[in-house]
Order: sequence, then C-alpha cells, then structure tokens
Amino acid sequence: GAGVSQSPSNKVTEKGKDVELRCDPISGHTALYWYRQSLGQGLEFLIYFQGNSAPDKSGLPSDRFSAERTGGSVSTLTIQRTQQEDSAVYLCASSPTSGRARETQYFGPGTRLLVL
Amino acid sequence: QKEVEQNSGPLSVPEGAIASLNCTYSDRGSQSFFWYRQYSGKSPELIMFIYSNGDKEDGRFTAQLNKASQYVSLLIRDSQPSDSATYLCAVNPSGTYKYIFGTGTRLKVLA
Repeated sequence: GAGVSQSPSNKVTEKGKDVELRCDPISGHTALYWYRQSLGQGLEFLIYFQGNSAPDKSGLPSDRFSAERTGGSVSTLTIQRTQQEDSAVYLCASSPTSGRARETQYFGPGTRLLVL
Repeated sequence: QKEVEQNSGPLSVPEGAIASLNCTYSDRGSQSFFWYRQYSGKSPELIMFIYSNGDKEDGRFTAQLNKASQYVSLLIRDSQPSDSATYLCAVNPSGTYKYIFGTGTRLKVLA
C-alpha cells in the first residue's frame, strides 16, 4: 500500500517568504508527527496530531511555525517569514490507530527546505 | 544533559564483525525505545523497538535495554557494508506521545 507522502520534495525560497509543506499520512493512521532534521543532526520534534484531540505543539520553535490537519488526514506545516536557520529537512511520520503498534512511526521522504 | 545521547561516531567495524551502538536517556520513566536506521539522504526506517529490560533479537539485530542504568543498545552481528548508515535511538518519555531522538551514530562497515 501507499506510504507516507510529502510535497514538495524540495523547496527553495527567499528569506522572509512563507512556505507550506504538505503531508499525506498512511490511510487509517490517526497519529501524525512533524520533525525537523538539520544537516548532520537528529530529528527535532515539532508537533503531534492524534485523531480529533488538540495537537501537541510543544516542539514548534517559534510562532512563525504552525500546522493543521484537516479531516484527520492531510497535514500542512506552514512557516511564515522564513529565516535561513529554517533550512532543514522536514519529515512527517504517521502511526496506526491503536495498541502498541501505534508507537511504530512510518516516515515520509521529507521536504528539503533551503532558505536563501 | 541531552534527553537522548548517542556517540556521533563514525564507528568503523570490519565486515563480519559485531557492531555495538549505544544510547543513554535521561527520563527514567520512559517506556518505549526504538532504533531507526537512516541512509544518507533518506528517511529513517524502524529496525527494532523494545519495551522490557533484557534482550530482544530479530535476525542479525539485538536490542538491549537496561532501565536501571538508563541505556539501550543495538548489536548488529555479521555486519555487512549495506549496514553502513546512521543509527538513531528514539525514546518515548513517560506520559507523552512525543519521541525524542538522539543525534545518531554513524556506522561504517569496511569490506
């Protein structure tokens, strides 16, 4: 079956512009995560969605970052007034619905963002 | 102190040897522990997860968890050049659905 998909795969933007990154999770997965990975670094947690519950936004680095998840499926991560330090790979992951299996995350291919 | 710590490496081992990767974590109440493999330019993929103290084996991979000492390790037996990648340790802190990742250990298996 289809895995997690993300678009665009690459994005080059100018400092100060807004960008939107999209994630399509695996069908039926209720949990969705966004991470950021800077060059040579580990994954930095950004935000977590679970079903219709309020998202855990505790990892968002500033108020320029926001995310939404429509209809419990597709998610969009928006970065306003981009800065050069926002350059990174943005990874989305989804998890199944219930049980211990819900802790297994399936990652998308990522969006490589470069802010000039 | 970082929440999840790994030696960045690179860890170089000859083909056929055992590679030992280590990870320590700070939240004593953490319940779930994961090892992901990430090839250069690719996304992480799950290798193993472990919840209970002791060893868990899956093919050439063995995860070891010691909650008292707050460390989790991954052993790769009969290492192959195709195992060369960055290995990320991830921990699920108690009471949350967040996953805290280490910065990863880069493994190089020399043919």
